[in-house]
Amino acid sequence: AQTVTQSQPEMSVQEAETVTLSCTYDTSESDYYLFWYKQPPSRQMILVIRQEAYKQQNATENRFSVNFQKAAKSFSLKISDSQLGDAAMYFCAYRATGTASKLTFGTGTRLQVTL
Amino acid sequence: DTGVSQNPRHKITKRGQNVTFRCDPISEHNRLYWYRQTLGQGPEFLTYFQNEAQLEKSRLLSDRFSAERPKGSFSTLEIQRTEQGDSAMYLCASSLISGATNEKLFFGSGTQLSVL
Repeated sequence: AQTVTQSQPEMSVQEAETVTLSCTYDTSESDYYLFWYKQPPSRQMILVIRQEAYKQQNATENRFSVNFQKAAKSFSLKISDSQLGDAAMYFCAYRATGTASKLTFGTGTRLQVTL
Repeated sequence: DTGVSQNPRHKITKRGQNVTFRCDPISEHNRLYWYRQTLGQGPEFLTYFQNEAQLEKSRLLSDRFSAERPKGSFSTLEIQRTEQGDSAMYLCASSLISGATNEKLFFGSGTQLSVL
């Protein structure tokens, strides 16, 4: 079975600074997708960024980028120029190719952004 | 496009009672998912529909749980004889599958269930 581990329950970053959230996963599949979702107090899960395992290039979306290390099964999220609106729970998620969106989520990291 | 809508937002019930939640997906989205999120955990997959067909159910979905999606539009999730362990947030998500591989889920804000 696939597992996703987020070892940082909480992180804090100052506004305008950079923070990295860690995620590791375990799978025997060779082709899969990895995601970072944001869950603000409104509770709605919002997709931040996704990475296809077959792509060597790390995904980037504006201030958000990932460091995908397939051999190490590591998938970290870097948030640059942090903003107050980035404060939320962040979940790392995995799904195998061809399994519909049956996502396996980690336990989340709560990100605080301070002035 | 008003997004995925879930009702009620909160539900408090007594143990043993039946409850039903509703999810209205984004119009024309053909897939609909139910997830459950307990305190301090990430969401866990429960079941999903493609149009009106329920294609897969997780082992987490006991016999007391039933989900429907009549006419492939809104969906309901019913829990019979609720137990305290059913207390959780129930999340609904929808997506549009049209042959492309990049499925993107849109989540609702969930229904928070508390079983007393």
